[in-house]
Amino acid sequence: EVQLLESGGNLVQPGGSLRLSCAASGFSFDSHVMTWVRQAPGKGLEWVSSISGSGGNTYYADSVKGRFTISRDNSKNTVSMHLNSLRAEDTARYFCAKTYASGSGWFVFDFWGQGTLVAVSS
Amino acid sequence: DIQMTQSPSTLSASIGDRVTITCRASQSISYWLAWYRQTPGQPPKLLIYKASVLVSGVPSRFSGSGFGTEFTLTISSLQPDDFATYYCQQYTSYSHTFGQGTKVEIK
Repeated sequence: EVQLLESGGNLVQPGGSLRLSCAASGFSFDSHVMTWVRQAPGKGLEWVSSISGSGGNTYYADSVKGRFTISRDNSKNTVSMHLNSLRAEDTARYFCAKTYASGSGWFVFDFWGQGTLVAVSS
Repeated sequence: DIQMTQSPSTLSASIGDRVTITCRASQSISYWLAWYRQTPGQPPKLLIYKASVLVSGVPSRFSGSGFGTEFTLTISSLQPDDFATYYCQQYTSYSHTFGQGTKVEIK
């Protein structure tokens, strides 16, 4: 059974930093792209970042490029994301998603964790 | 960036109704479109990919169609679990844009 368990969400001041983690089990972790998608309160979904199975390729939404850094540890089946220079508009639930790399070369999110809540406020 | 627009934003329906949701892309995305369902307090669940391919285990009352810029998700007979918000997502470009969502409410 696929399981994804996110952690690390918290209340942080604008300009602050946070590290989110996602522990995965139930599938061949190092064979899969992994992704973070966020959802602001009462709003829709926004793709944030993805990382290839090897960790050698990373991808970021323009809204977070240069501030967020995704990484993975295949020995521990975890994917992490460092969030720096946080802004109020980064307030959201952050979902970790197992990702299917499609024939288009881009990504479909075929299993999601429950998410972890990040709140940016003074 | 490719923009994805869903209609309607909200839909009121009854158990057993046939429901159709439309998703339009601002430029052609071929058939690189996915549909997700999100019930309150839960993460999204992938229903359909490649516009019309049903994910294993998803009930056959769900179907998807379309190509290019216009796509539809149809639920042939609405069930209690289907009162939820539905999102389309394009995956032909880096931005992986989602539609704004369609909330299916109980009439």
